[in-house]
Amino acid sequence: EVVLTQSPATLSLSPGERATLSCRASQSVSSNLAWYQQKPGQAPRLLIFDASNRATGIPTRFSGSGSGTDFTLTISSLEPEDFAVYYCQQRTNWPPGYTFGQGTKLEIK
Amino acid sequence: QVQLEQSGPEVKKPGASVKVSCKASGYIFEGYYIHWVRQAPGQGLEWMGWISPNVGGTNYAPKFKGRVTMTRDTSINTVYMELTSLRSDDTAIYYCAKDTTVMVNNWFDPWGQGTLVTVSS
Repeated sequence: EVVLTQSPATLSLSPGERATLSCRASQSVSSNLAWYQQKPGQAPRLLIFDASNRATGIPTRFSGSGSGTDFTLTISSLEPEDFAVYYCQQRTNWPPGYTFGQGTKLEIK
Repeated sequence: QVQLEQSGPEVKKPGASVKVSCKASGYIFEGYYIHWVRQAPGQGLEWMGWISPNVGGTNYAPKFKGRVTMTRDTSINTVYMELTSLRSDDTAIYYCAKDTTVMVNNWFDPWGQGTLVTVSS
């Protein structure tokens, strides 16, 4: 099973600052990686798929990069509504399945 | 618009079974896999498996094989997830989510609102 390790566990920043979240895979997942945002009491929302593609309706301040084992989610200038928990997710073709990282909590400093 | 509407909260005793429903609307039901993901209180996300509403094919995460069954009723655009032999650590919010890509497994968007399943004696 591919293990995803996210860092840091918690990130404290102020609105307007740049956020950089990391996700590392225990083995190569090529570009088969997505990022989700989850706010308290809500279901997760897809932000980025295939490592670097923004989902429909996602603001351009969100960007994803990386391939193989190292991936980054960047929020260029934090808005108040961006403070949430972020999960990375990988997709394995064989055996077919998915795993999630443990999450990074982005909190207001 | 695409919506997934899940059934209400459940309280079950250890050893019992639970069946959660997920009703889809706003798209061609048979065209997209539905995934199930759970989240224990204060914890992360855990993928449980998927069902193809078209042919009813399933793929379960190894951890849940033997305890989970996913089915669908195409006449009412609804999928079901049944989990048996419940334990206290099955207490979680269970989400269904639509796949993003027709006829294959890809990414999850959108998600249902979640169903809280509480297992307690």
